[in-house]
Order: sequence, then C-alpha cells, then structure tokens
Amino acid sequence: RKEVEQDPGPFNVPEGATVAFNCTYSNSASQSFFWYRQDCRKEPKLLMSVYSSGNEDGRFTAQLNRASQYISLLIRDSKLSDSATYLCVVRSYNTDKLIFGTGTRLQVFP
Amino acid sequence: ETGVTQTPRHLVMGMTNKKSLKCEQHLGHNAMYWYKQSAKKPLELMFVYSLEERVENNSVPSRFSPECPNSSHLFLHLHTLQPEDSALYLCASSQGLAGGREQFFGPGTRLTVL
Repeated sequence: RKEVEQDPGPFNVPEGATVAFNCTYSNSASQSFFWYRQDCRKEPKLLMSVYSSGNEDGRFTAQLNRASQYISLLIRDSKLSDSATYLCVVRSYNTDKLIFGTGTRLQVFP
Repeated sequence: ETGVTQTPRHLVMGMTNKKSLKCEQHLGHNAMYWYKQSAKKPLELMFVYSLEERVENNSVPSRFSPECPNSSHLFLHLHTLQPEDSALYLCASSQGLAGGREQFFGPGTRLTVL
C-alpha cells in the first residue's frame, strides 16, 4: 500500500464550482499534513498546512480525519487560475521526511 | 522568484557523460534537499543536508553524488546515468529539517539521459 494515496484525476470543473479532493495515508503515526500546489512545468509550492481542527484560507478549506487517516481539500468558487496539480504531503512522527502523494490534477474550464 | 535557483534548467546527457546540477538558496535556510520527480510518480526524496552534513541518503544509486560546500549551495554530481534516470530533479530548502516546516523548491532541472 502506498504511504500517501491520491486520486490522480483529472477533475474537470466549470468556473464557480466547488471541488473536493481526498488523500489517504497509511502511517497512523503521521504528524504533520500539508497541501502543496504544482503548476504545469513548475515547482511545488505550499498551499496550506492542515491542522487537526481544520483550517480555512479564503476559498480553500483543509480538514484532517485521524480516525480514518485521510485529509481533504475543498475549493469553493473555482477560478481558472486554480488549475494545477494538488499534492498531498505527510510527515511521519519518527522521521523528518516529507512523503508526497502523486497529486490530483484539477482543470477549471470557463 | 529567486529564493531557490537551479542550473541548468534543462540537461541532455549521454550515459557516459559526467555532469553536475547546481542549486543555490538565498533564504538563509540551513537544510537542503534533492528530490526526483518522474512522470506519474510522487516526488522521491534523494538526499537531505542539514547544516552542511548529509543526514539522509534514501537508497540512491552511487551514480548520483551530492555535495554541500556551504549552507547556500547544493550540487548533484551525475555519472554513468541510465535512461530511467531521466526526470525532473528538484532542489528544496527549509529552515530546520522538514518536520512541520515549509520547504521552498527551486524550478528544477529537467534531465534527459540518452
């Protein structure tokens, strides 16, 4: 089983739509969780950290479910500029390594 | 953005060549990383340096040889590579090791091995 699993997509949604991605992780000792964004042919950039209580940043909401070992990212009112690959990233308790998922590709169309 | 720079941006080399990838960070960070990103695969951590000491070598073949002369520079020396080594090589830096801290990535070097 992969340490971090994501649906690769693509998710094709119209502007203004709400879209949600899930990501599951296998190591119950995982401690820190992040969503990174990677545009086509560009480097990954941190989108947001994911906190136990859930957190929101504008149109983006991240949630963590430790019992089921998944994190989610909700994007409201999608913009064309949201088109990118969203990488789920997990850090284990006993290492400092970040484990990346393969990413979920989002395409927002007019 | 000039936080983390990488050169060259593109590299084509034969299997018998020797080349080096360079990474420089201008963020005052003390940890640097090499990752490999292949098509349809997740980013794979290759090496981690903290305070110029290698703290992680993620079972990477010896044809990849990292060097960290100071906290701002990181090199990846390549020799006798294989076609399956063709990938995007990303450098990243952070203040402290990765745990809970944002990593800033460079634009990457797209490597093609013929």
